[in-house]
Amino acid sequence: EPEVTQTPSHQVTQMGQEVILRCVPISNHLYFYWYRQILGQKVEFLVSFYNNEISEKSEIFDDQFSVERPDGSNFTLKIRSTKLEDSAMYFCASTLAANYGYTFGSGTRLTVV
Amino acid sequence: AQSVTQPDIHITVSEGASLELRCNYSYGATPYLFWYVQSPGQGLQLLLKYFSGDTLVQGIKGFEAEFKRSQSSFNLRKPSVHWSDAAEYFCAVAGPGANNLFFGTGTRLTVIP
Repeated sequence: EPEVTQTPSHQVTQMGQEVILRCVPISNHLYFYWYRQILGQKVEFLVSFYNNEISEKSEIFDDQFSVERPDGSNFTLKIRSTKLEDSAMYFCASTLAANYGYTFGSGTRLTVV
Repeated sequence: AQSVTQPDIHITVSEGASLELRCNYSYGATPYLFWYVQSPGQGLQLLLKYFSGDTLVQGIKGFEAEFKRSQSSFNLRKPSVHWSDAAEYFCAVAGPGANNLFFGTGTRLTVIP
């Protein structure tokens, strides 16, 4: 069964550093998403991406965040200057269409120290 | 605005017993509804989804859920729980044409022998 692949599985970074989280969505999917889950809390929507541009973003997705689909297969989330409160599990997801179901990756655990 | 309530934070059941996890949603029209399961350290796996039609939907691993419009509910059920079902379960809602999922806070299931 096709999978959404995320790398790395765990990343530790110092506060203020830039991090890039990588995702390879399912190849024929058209919509791409990033969600995050702070430890013990609910999964929260960050951003959706379609047709090479952001289609929707949440209040969490401020100017320190950016997304990119650089080569038609990868989908990246960049956090420009990490803060302690950015520590969370970040999930990538993709779907062919809204009523097709969303496939999530296994997540990247980001720890900011 | 869309929202999801999972009133039970933690449920403990004996192996072989039946299970029902509650989910209530708020949405102005007929939503798309999903149940995901998350094992420790893992990603989110889709158990089942409802878009339209038969209000009783079957999913993987022997799970089913029933959409009840009058109660704004989408409860997840399993007739006989296995020890491997111990995990966190998330209910989620999306509006048709909506671009992202809203998740509940999750219900942690513990299965005792």
